[in-house]
Amino acid sequence: DAGVIQSPRHEVTEMGQEVTLRCKPISGHDYLFWYRQTMMRGLELLIYFNNNVPIDDSGMPEDRFSAKMPNASFSTLKIQPSEPRDSAVYFCASTPGRQLNTGELFFGEGSRLTVL
Amino acid sequence: GNSVTQMEGPVTLSEEAFLTINCTYTATGYPSLFWYVQYPGEGLQLLLKATKADDKGSNKGFEATYRKETTSFHLEKGSVQVSDSAVYFCALSLSNTGNQFYFGTGTSLTVIP
Repeated sequence: DAGVIQSPRHEVTEMGQEVTLRCKPISGHDYLFWYRQTMMRGLELLIYFNNNVPIDDSGMPEDRFSAKMPNASFSTLKIQPSEPRDSAVYFCASTPGRQLNTGELFFGEGSRLTVL
Repeated sequence: GNSVTQMEGPVTLSEEAFLTINCTYTATGYPSLFWYVQYPGEGLQLLLKATKADDKGSNKGFEATYRKETTSFHLEKGSVQVSDSAVYFCALSLSNTGNQFYFGTGTSLTVIP
């Protein structure tokens, strides 16, 4: 079975440009998470969805960040406008609801963003 | 609040050395505990888990025991290999927080031949 699929794997852009990161969760998983990983802050939860509905977006740094999940098989994380401090690896993860508390998160390989 | 604290890295060991990475937690409920591993250029993947006190999780020679009395979940391996070089994350999950996982900051391990 395919795992969590993220694209692009690498993105280099200039400050001020719009960036869109994409994620396809594992089929049947009804929870989807977006994390950001940096050397300074480690792994930070940005937002998570349950059945396509955003449940907690308190980790989204500011209004420049937005996330959507239009259907069960696709989510996007958008940064507009991007800034150099947004440079990080962004991970998407999913898990089935029936494994709440005892289950694991299944991570994608990440999208490495560099904003010049 | 809920949080995970793990030992600072980086850790550098010689092959076949004994490994311990300390992890302690605070939780408002009764958490499940996890160790995740991140190999270079990859996403995190589950290494082992324990869901109740005194449970021992184990995988690939790694072990960790859920100690409620000391709120700890230390990762150990008796003899590390070069292929164990990775970043290790301790994490907890609480069902009463809507499936939020709390991760530690990660400990980088390098094993040299």
